[in-house]
Amino acid sequence: EVQLVESGGGLIQPGGSLRLSCAASGFTVSSYYMSWVRQAPGKGLEWVSLIYSGGRTYYADSVKGRFTISRDNSKNALYLQMNSLRAEDTAVYYCARGGTGYTSGGRFDYWGQGTLVTVSS
Amino acid sequence: EIVLTQSPGTLSLSPGERATLSCRASQSVTSSYLTWYQQKPGQAPRLLIYAASSRATGIPDRFSGSGSGTDFTLTISRLEPEDFAVYYCQQYGSSPGTFGQGTKVEIK
Repeated sequence: EVQLVESGGGLIQPGGSLRLSCAASGFTVSSYYMSWVRQAPGKGLEWVSLIYSGGRTYYADSVKGRFTISRDNSKNALYLQMNSLRAEDTAVYYCARGGTGYTSGGRFDYWGQGTLVTVSS
Repeated sequence: EIVLTQSPGTLSLSPGERATLSCRASQSVTSSYLTWYQQKPGQAPRLLIYAASSRATGIPDRFSGSGSGTDFTLTISRLEPEDFAVYYCQQYGSSPGTFGQGTKVEIK
């Protein structure tokens, strides 16, 4: 059974850093396109970052230069390092599995339950 | 960036009625890269439709998708109580991938 479990969210002051983790089971993270998608309170979905199965990474303009996506193949896990956090980064962050190729890589068939990040002083 | 505009913002319908949700793109979207998700309060989104018209695994056949180019539609043929939720369209053929702002289907 495919499962994604996020952790690492919490309350952080503006300018601070946080690392989110996503533990995967039931499939191999390195074989899939993996993304982080966020949702601000009461708002819609926003794609944040993507890591290809080959390792290439992409970021939304709103987080470029501040966030870093990575994975640990030995732990079958996905991460999001978030630096220089701003109030507008406050959201539930979801880990999501895409497909195995470009045609399916951006559609998300499995999602975690999400972890809440609150940026506030 | 491709902007997806969903309409209406809210759809008030009764169980058993037909729901028609629209997703309009600011530029042409290759159908292969157009998806629909359902989200219920407090839950993660769920993939409903991919490649504009293909149902994801386990999705009932009352859900159907259609469209091409800049105009896409999600249709729920007969609303069941569990279908009242927010629906999002998404495109990922052009970077960055983008979502529509959502359509809420509420009980009338």
